[in-house]
Amino acid sequence: KNQVEQSPQSLIILEGKNCTLQCNYTVSPFSNLRWYKQDTGRGPVSLTIMTFSENTKSNGRYTATLDADTKQSSLHITASQLSDSASYICVVSAGQAGTALIFGKGTTLSVSS
Amino acid sequence: GAVVSQHPSWVICKSGTSVKIECRSLDFQATTMFWYRQFPKQSLMLMATSNEGSKATYEQGVEKDKFLINHASLTLSTLTVTSAHPEDSSFYICSASGGIQETQYFGPGTRLLVL
Repeated sequence: KNQVEQSPQSLIILEGKNCTLQCNYTVSPFSNLRWYKQDTGRGPVSLTIMTFSENTKSNGRYTATLDADTKQSSLHITASQLSDSASYICVVSAGQAGTALIFGKGTTLSVSS
Repeated sequence: GAVVSQHPSWVICKSGTSVKIECRSLDFQATTMFWYRQFPKQSLMLMATSNEGSKATYEQGVEKDKFLINHASLTLSTLTVTSAHPEDSSFYICSASGGIQETQYFGPGTRLLVL
C-alpha cells in the first residue's frame, strides 16, 4: 500500500533556530517527491520537488534531501522565522506518469519569539 | 509559480442547498484540474480529476451526483456540492496543472460550513 509518513506530528521551536522534518514513504513506482508549505486556511504552496536522481534541493532557507534507497526525505529549515509557522506536507508522486499524489499528514511547525 | 484562484474563499449555507465553488488558473492553461477535500488536521484527500472538455474521474467513495464537476474551459473548473449537509462541511482545495505529468498548483481553498 502506498503510504507517506511524516514526523514529528508537531514541533515548536524558537525563532532563529533550525529544524528538520522527516518523511518516510513506501510508494511504488516512485516518480517524484515534493514538500509543500500550507498556512492555516490556505492552499499548499510548493517548496521543492525532487526526482529519483536528486539528493538535495534548496529554496532559500529550505533544503530538502532525498535518499531513494532508504525511501526517506527531510526538510531542513534554517534560521526559522515566525512566518515559517505552518503545516509542511510531504507529497510523493506514484506511477509511471506521476499522476497519483500520495499525501503525508503533515508536520505542524510553530515558531515562537 | 503559477497562480490558481478559488471563489468564494468561504461560504455558509443551509442544509439542503447547493453550493458552487470556482477554480481558475490565472496565468496558464490548465489541462487538468483536481479537487481535494481536507478535514481539520488531516491530509488532503483527492475527490476527482477533471480534464478540460471531458467528464471528471471520481475517486472511490466520492459520489459523482453529489459533487458535480464541470471543466468547461482551460482556465475554469467548478465544483457544485448539491443538497449540502453538515457532514459536507470541509475545506475544499483545487489544483491545476498544465498536463497530467506537470506540477500541480494549488488554489487558496474554500471553507464550506453547512448549517
